[in-house]
Amino acid sequence: QVQVVQSGAEVKKPGASVKVSCKASGYTFTDYSVHWVRQAPGQRFEWMGWIRGDNGHTKYSQNFQGRVTLTRDTSASTAYMELSSLRSEDTALYYCAKNPTGTGYYDFWGQGTLVTVSS
Amino acid sequence: EIVLTQSPGTLSLSPGERATLSCRASQTVSSSYLAWYQQRPGQAPRLLIYGASTRATGIPDRFSGSASGTDFSLTISGLEPEDFAVYYCQQYGGSPLTFGGGTKVEIK
Repeated sequence: QVQVVQSGAEVKKPGASVKVSCKASGYTFTDYSVHWVRQAPGQRFEWMGWIRGDNGHTKYSQNFQGRVTLTRDTSASTAYMELSSLRSEDTALYYCAKNPTGTGYYDFWGQGTLVTVSS
Repeated sequence: EIVLTQSPGTLSLSPGERATLSCRASQTVSSSYLAWYQQRPGQAPRLLIYGASTRATGIPDRFSGSASGTDFSLTISGLEPEDFAVYYCQQYGGSPLTFGGGTKVEIK
């Protein structure tokens, strides 16, 4: 069955970077895209960007342009999200989500990774 | 950016009752590209509906979605104990993709 397992919680200082992984199994990784979405405490879900599993093409939300980098390793069926220049407002639960390529909805989500930014 | 407004914020109902959740978009959502998710405490969201009215794989038929212009609805025809959760709408017809603020369905 489909599984999407994210890396564990992270605590970072302001100005640092964080890299979260998202390992997929139970489906053909290159047939789908992976989106990244975050939810800060008391806030709405916020879309960050996506990466295609087949060709690695990316698209980023303008809200994160220049600070977020999405990559993938097809041999490991794993997607990565790196967020730089962290600030306290980046404290949130970060999710990766499996997305049928060409659509924008998520048919399976990872369990979420809590990133805490604190001095 | 398309803003999605969900109402009510909280819905207090008893098991077996019908729940109707609303999601209003600030502008037209092209091709009814709207999805609904359920999130139980401590869990990741689960896809219920996409394309405004198509049930995702394995979703019981007590869940249904509809659209009328910029107004979207999710109906749960008879609440089961496991349906008490938070529900979110999401549009994917415009960039950036955006989500509603959620409706909590709680036990009365």
